[in-house]
Amino acid sequence: QVQLVESGGGVVQPGRSLRLSCAASGFTFSGYAFHWVRQAPGRGLEWVAIISYDGSNKYYADSVTGRFTISRDNSYNTLYLQMNSLRAEDTAVYYCARRDNGSPDYWGQGTLVTVSS
Amino acid sequence: IVMTQTPLSSPVTLGQPASISCRSSQSLVHSDGNTYLSWLHQRPGQPPRLLIYKISNRFSGVPERFSGSGTGTDFTLKISRVEAEDVGVYYCMHATQIPHTFGQGTKLEIK
Repeated sequence: QVQLVESGGGVVQPGRSLRLSCAASGFTFSGYAFHWVRQAPGRGLEWVAIISYDGSNKYYADSVTGRFTISRDNSYNTLYLQMNSLRAEDTAVYYCARRDNGSPDYWGQGTLVTVSS
Repeated sequence: IVMTQTPLSSPVTLGQPASISCRSSQSLVHSDGNTYLSWLHQRPGQPPRLLIYKISNRFSGVPERFSGSGTGTDFTLKISRVEAEDVGVYYCMHATQIPHTFGQGTKLEIK
């Protein structure tokens, strides 16, 4: 069955970096685009970034452009989110989600990132 | 594109219907002819799960009591008879252009 498992979250100081990973299994990873979506505590969902099936196209929300980088390694069935220059407002649960038929069809359980001094 | 959901809170009686509206600030029709409007459901402490894609297509395993409709800028999610497991927050989301955006969420509660 389709499984997405995020990791890499934790507590980090403002201005520092963190890299999230999303390990995929149960389907052909290289055949799908992926999203990162985040949810601040008690808030709604915010789309962060998307990457095409082969990694050739990447798009970002304005709030993270220039600071976050989405990437993937199809050899390892893993999606990444490199987060630099972190701010308090980046504190959230970060979800990876597979894209199919234009929708995020399968989601991971999420990993919590807390930016605090 | 701004996605606006109404209502933001919806108390419903078990077994009764429920309806959530989602309006976009511009047409969600993509240049490929598809309308990439989805509905998702999130229970407390859980990740979101996809219910409906491309306006009206139920995702795998989604009960038939959930249905989606609409065109252009106005969309609706309907639950024909609410069950206890349907509580939580419902989000609409568009993927027609970058950036993708979500509605604010509608909290469904049992009266």
